Formats: sequence, C-alpha cells, structure tokens
Amino acid sequence: DSGVTQTPKHLITATGQRVTLRCSPRSGDLSVYWYQQSLDQGLQFLIHYYNGEERAKGNILERFSAQQFPDLHSELNLSSLELGDSALYFCASSGQDMNTEAFFGQGTRLTVV
Amino acid sequence: GQSLEQPSEVTAVEGAIVQINCTYQTSGFYGLSWYQQHDGGAPTFLSYNGLDGLEETGRFSSFLSRSDSYGYLLLQELQMKDSASYFCAVKDQGGKLIFGQGTELSVKP
Repeated sequence: DSGVTQTPKHLITATGQRVTLRCSPRSGDLSVYWYQQSLDQGLQFLIHYYNGEERAKGNILERFSAQQFPDLHSELNLSSLELGDSALYFCASSGQDMNTEAFFGQGTRLTVV
Repeated sequence: GQSLEQPSEVTAVEGAIVQINCTYQTSGFYGLSWYQQHDGGAPTFLSYNGLDGLEETGRFSSFLSRSDSYGYLLLQELQMKDSASYFCAVKDQGGKLIFGQGTELSVKP
C-alpha cells in the first residue's frame, strides 16, 4: 500500500459526460501528479500541483482540469468525454518538490462508452 | 523538449541478468528514477540516481552517466515475478516528472 488513495477505482460513463477523479496523497506529501495511461502505453504526464499551486502542465486537454485543495487532496475533472479518453488515470504524490521518488495510487480505470 | 528512450521489450530467462537502457533529453535535470509496473497495477518506485555511478538495491542496480544523458537498470538473478514493465523517469526544472514509454520484460522459465 503506497498510502495514496484514488477514487473511484472504476468508472463507466457515456460520451459527452463529465467526471471527477479524486486523489488523496500520502500524509505529509505536498506534490500531486496526474497521469493518463492508455492501453499498452506509457504514463502521459498531465499536471503537477505543489502545496495547492499548479507547478507544471503537460499535454493536458482543455477539456481536462485539476485542482489541489487546502487539505492537499486533488481532483481531476474530465468533461465532454470522448471514447479516446478511456484510460487508466493515476495520481502520484511526492514528499519534496524536486524529488523524483513518487508514490502511485491504484488508479481509476475510466471507460467511456 | 523532454524525451526519454528505452527499448520497448526485452526477454530473458530465469536466473539470468538483464540490462534496460534509458537515454534522456531534458531541460534541467534532477536525477533519473526507475519504476516497475505489473499489468494494470500501480507503478512502484525502484531506484533513484542523482549523481553519476551505480546504486544497488538487492537484486536491482541502477547506473547514471550525466555526461552521456544515459542510465540503465540492471536486474540480476531474474525471477518469473520480475516480468513487468519498467519505466525510467526524469524531472525537469519546470517540475514535470516525465516517464519513458516503458520496457516490457518477459522472463521465461
């Protein structure tokens, strides 16, 4: 158990809908990263938050947004969903800003039908 | 931009040694890490190299050469349970933690 909690584990939704994925980092970790992993693909970096502030953005679609709250949990919002958004979405947390050791949650498997 | 290259797949037999290479290009550099991911599971951290040289953790070792922008993960005494995908990762000065596309390791009996 990495200490990172993601909910829900599975999500099935229709095209055009909006969903929210939630991540609770390890206790004390200030950094939260979000990744998208499509079938048999690598981990695509979406966004990084550090202590409530957006720190870095990857190739995140405009339909996607995220935030990190004062209690350090984070949410990833996906809207106007398309079939191609079906993927595993992971969040990871890290204890220090420039540390490359990150702890991953179990992921949310999103299926868009 | 940032990029990491690693082989897409490697096959080895139980008990053997295998090396997975990673070359990277990044703006700013804060070390090279390696992660393991079993099918559909969460990636787990294996090792980190911030400075040149070899880091050893049990059967796994990782090496970094910053001048060559190159590193590798060495797995010894391979076991069937080592069959998984292995990712190298770097962090750039912008704060992105970027992963390679992953190397799928198949360990055969």
